Amino acid sequence: DSGVTQTPKHLITATGQRVTLRCSPRSGDLSVYWYQQSLDQGLQFLIQYYNGEERAKGNILERFSAQQFPDLHSELNLSSLELGDSALYFCASSVLGDSYEQYFGPGTRLTVT
Amino acid sequence: DAKTTQPPSMDCAEGRAANLPCNHSTISGNEYVYWYRQIHSQGPQYIIHGLKNNETNEMASLIITEDRKSSTLILPHATLRDTAVYYCIVSSRIGGNNRKLIWGLGTSLAVNP
Repeated sequence: DSGVTQTPKHLITATGQRVTLRCSPRSGDLSVYWYQQSLDQGLQFLIQYYNGEERAKGNILERFSAQQFPDLHSELNLSSLELGDSALYFCASSVLGDSYEQYFGPGTRLTVT
Repeated sequence: DAKTTQPPSMDCAEGRAANLPCNHSTISGNEYVYWYRQIHSQGPQYIIHGLKNNETNEMASLIITEDRKSSTLILPHATLRDTAVYYCIVSSRIGGNNRKLIWGLGTSLAVNP
């Protein structure tokens, strides 16, 4: 158990809909990262927050957005969903903005039908 | 950003050492090499990282060549639970202390009884 929690574990929704994925980092970690992993693909870094502020951006679509709240939990919002958005979404956390040692949550499996 | 090349798959007998190679010929002087593993759609797990010197922890050893263009992750006594996809990643620095990890497809290691 990494100490990072993600909810929900599974999510099934239709195209065009909007969903919110939630992540609670390990106690004491200030940085949260979001990743997308499509079937048989490597992880794609989406975005990083550090202590409430956006710190780095990866391959995040404009339809996707994220935020980190004062209690350090984070949410990833996915809107206008397409079939290709079906994937595993992982959240990770680290103590500082330095990302070399990240602790990953169990992931949210999103299925868009 | 430095890219990495890993064999897509490897086999290892239980109890033997597993040596997983990684090429990163374009690595720059301040980039670290990190290793993670992912067991069947679970969240990736940090294993070890290094810059120049060889590193060892309770999970594995990391051997980095003197020219830093390649490295080897060694699991000294592989068990069935080590069956996973192993990712070799080189950090990229985005200004200041920020790094983002560029993930490839990794090596699928099968440990056989």
